[in-house]
Amino acid sequence: GAGVSQSPSNKVTEKGKDVELRCDPISGHTALYWYRQRLGQGLEFLIYFQGNSAPDKSGLPSDRFSAERTGESVSTLTIQRTQQEDSAVYLCASSLTSGGSYEQYFGPGTRLTVT
Amino acid sequence: GNSVTQMEGPVTLSEEAFLTINCTYTATGYPSLFWYVQYPGEGLQLLLKATKADDKGSNKGFEATYRKETTSFHLEKGSVQVSDSAVYFCALNRPGTASKLTFGTGTRLQVTL
Repeated sequence: GAGVSQSPSNKVTEKGKDVELRCDPISGHTALYWYRQRLGQGLEFLIYFQGNSAPDKSGLPSDRFSAERTGESVSTLTIQRTQQEDSAVYLCASSLTSGGSYEQYFGPGTRLTVT
Repeated sequence: GNSVTQMEGPVTLSEEAFLTINCTYTATGYPSLFWYVQYPGEGLQLLLKATKADDKGSNKGFEATYRKETTSFHLEKGSVQVSDSAVYFCALNRPGTASKLTFGTGTRLQVTL
């Protein structure tokens, strides 16, 4: 079946502009996660959705970052007034939340470059 | 809080050499442990996992054993191939539930002929 998909694959934006990143999880996966990978660094957790609620948004770095999810489907991560330090690959993952297997499946990522 | 420490790369090996990539962790309780791999131009994939002490995860010739006493989960392979060239990430999360992963910084492996 289809895996996790993300769009766009690449985004170049000017400092100060807003951007929206999209994630389509695997069908039936109720959990959805956003991570950020800066160049040469590991993945940082941003936010976790269970259905359309976000019980853990402890990783959002500032109030410029927000995310929402429609039901158990698409999620969008919005970054307002982008800064150069926001440049990174943004990864989305999804998983089941029952049945004993909580393996996270990752999408290909969106590479964001802020100029 | 939770953290994962991996050996710095890059690691460069000749084909058929033995591979070890060290990973140690700090966590409350007994986390689930994972190795993820990112091949060039591809997304992150789960390589193997272990969910309790002394468990050994294995896949594609790679192995890692959950060592509670040393809080380690070192990745090993007896004979690497050029196709194993990738970035390897050690990670952990809270067991028995869907929860965020805490990742190490990744170790790049380059295998040459």
